[in-house]
Amino acid sequence: EVQLVESGGGLVQPGGSLRLSCAASGFTFRTYWMHWVRQAPGKGLMWVSRLNGDVTITNYADSVKGRFTISRDNAKNTLYLQMNSLRAEDTAVYYCVRESGDSFDYWGQGTLVTVSS
Amino acid sequence: QSALIQPASVSGSPGQSITISCTGTSSDVGTYNHVSWYQQHPGKAPKLMIYEVSNRPSGVSNRFSGSKSGNTASLTISGLQAEDEADYYCNSYTNRGALPWVFGTGTRVAVL
Repeated sequence: EVQLVESGGGLVQPGGSLRLSCAASGFTFRTYWMHWVRQAPGKGLMWVSRLNGDVTITNYADSVKGRFTISRDNAKNTLYLQMNSLRAEDTAVYYCVRESGDSFDYWGQGTLVTVSS
Repeated sequence: QSALIQPASVSGSPGQSITISCTGTSSDVGTYNHVSWYQQHPGKAPKLMIYEVSNRPSGVSNRFSGSKSGNTASLTISGLQAEDEADYYCNSYTNRGALPWVFGTGTRVAVL
């Protein structure tokens, strides 16, 4: 059974940092593109970043470029999102998502990040 | 990167059929068949309902169907049930923007 379990969310002050983790199981992690998608309270879904299986290609939404870094440890089956210089507008539930090539077939339960003083 | 346009809300009575539209451009929906749909209940993660325009993953009810014409994709829910009340998002591959995928604005489905 495919499982994606996020952790690392919490309350952080503006300008602070946080690292999210996503533990994957039930599939060959290293062969899949993985994404982070976020959803601000009461809002729609927004892409944050993606990373391919052999860690050669990364992409970021313009709103997080230069502040967020996506990475993965294929030996540990874990995806990460390092978030620096956090702003109030980064407040959201962050989902770890597996890309199947033509869609996003598995989502984690999400982890809430709140940026507030 | 502009979002795909969906109606804010759609409603129907139990047993009826409803259709949700997803309007894009020739840079996304109009060119690519990588169009998918997601259902999200309050407080839950999105769930894949349709991929590649009209394909259903294993376990998804055949009451859900997808189609595409030009720059607009559609999700139809037949025999509407109370459990279908949720938010629905479309998604498409795109050749514009920093990321090769774009979401729709989302549609709240209400079962009257």
